[in-house]
Amino acid sequence: DTEVTQTPKHLVMGMTNKKSLKCEQHMGHRAMYWYKQKAKKPPELMFVYSYEKLSINESVPSRFSPECPNSSLLNLHLHALQPEDSALYLCASSTPTGEDSQPQHFGDGTRLSIL
Amino acid sequence: DQQVKQNSPSLSVQEGRISILNCDYTNSMFDYFLWYKKYPAEGPTFLISISSIKDKNEDGRFTVFLNKSAKHLSLHIVPSQPGDSAVYFCAASNTGNQFYFGTGTSLTVIP
Repeated sequence: DTEVTQTPKHLVMGMTNKKSLKCEQHMGHRAMYWYKQKAKKPPELMFVYSYEKLSINESVPSRFSPECPNSSLLNLHLHALQPEDSALYLCASSTPTGEDSQPQHFGDGTRLSIL
Repeated sequence: DQQVKQNSPSLSVQEGRISILNCDYTNSMFDYFLWYKKYPAEGPTFLISISSIKDKNEDGRFTVFLNKSAKHLSLHIVPSQPGDSAVYFCAASNTGNQFYFGTGTSLTVIP
């Protein structure tokens, strides 16, 4: 069983819809991440939150809006997405680097399809 | 620009033999290296890691070797089992909460 839980597992939405992806971890990790993964490609970093503050935004379009309401939760709000945004969206958490390196733990992802 | 590379997209190995997966990196500032295993429809699962102060780390059937001068790491699986069939990603990080992933190697262990 994964210790990082992502919901929903699958999401189909139109280009005008607004939806949110959710991620939850209870490992006490203070760094949380959103990645996008296309088929046969490595995970591509989107956002990093460290101690509930956005620390890295990898030039992600504004139609993706992250939110970290508390140390256990991470959301990704979606609005006006494009078909090319269809992908697997992965959430991960870890101890922030610099505090004794620890691996990231991943959820099983949300498979997003944009119609 | 891909800072972590896995040049073999696929590898087939007979059950019981050794699987060797390779990974190269370009950034000499990386100080922490990891291997992940991914099954279809699941997220990557952490397998084993190594810090740059070591050249070898072992955990059961899995051993990771790091050659800093060559900027190369490898994962050895001995003995390989059919359940090891999956996509393996190497990853590297330095301070800054950023992890860089390779493109993955699909391992098939033939019974």
